[in-house]
Amino acid sequence: DAGVTQSPTHLIKTRGQQVTLRCSPKSGHDTVSWYQQALGQGPQFIFQYYEEEERQRGNFPDRFSGHQFPNYSSELNVNALLLGDSALYLCASSLALSSGVSYNEQFFGPGTRLTVL
Amino acid sequence: KQEVTQIPAALSVPEGENLVLNCSFTDSAIYNLQWFRQDPGKGLTSLLLIQSSQREQTSGRLNASLDKSSGRSTLYIAASQPGDSATYLCAVLYNFNKFYFGSGTKLNVKP
Repeated sequence: DAGVTQSPTHLIKTRGQQVTLRCSPKSGHDTVSWYQQALGQGPQFIFQYYEEEERQRGNFPDRFSGHQFPNYSSELNVNALLLGDSALYLCASSLALSSGVSYNEQFFGPGTRLTVL
Repeated sequence: KQEVTQIPAALSVPEGENLVLNCSFTDSAIYNLQWFRQDPGKGLTSLLLIQSSQREQTSGRLNASLDKSSGRSTLYIAASQPGDSATYLCAVLYNFNKFYFGSGTKLNVKP
């Protein structure tokens, strides 16, 4: 089991550009959540995808968008990059209950380090 | 507003010492609480998950407790080792699948 994988590992962009980050969940998991972690802080919840739909969203602007594919993998897109978007972006996967609620353990990937210059 | 606080922010102990990390949350209507370990520049490794109906969970030298009524969880590490040096994060799950993290406790275990 490869666990949660993310690509790329590192990324450098300039202000105003757009970026796409990718995540493959742990085998058997159907729910993917994205987090932003600034240096020295805890991760902040961006949004969660289940059954190819955004189910929950944290306090992030519309510049942050995502997608989930039929194979449960997911993408995070950020438009019009700002210097403040520089952070470690983490993907977590879990298995939802039949009701769609996920009370189960979250497993995290290694993250993508995004630097905006 | 749900807030998760971890105290202390940093902790340095000699090898072999038993230690306790604290996590407090403002809203007691949680579904579960999960403790993670994060090494510098890396992702999060799950240590323990406590469901809201449980009082504690144990894994090896780690023991996590949960007191919903007081809004507190503790992570107890027995016989600490230099390899335990990392940042420890707690995350609380509330309704509608919203997770809130604390800022973490940075632990340094000195040989």
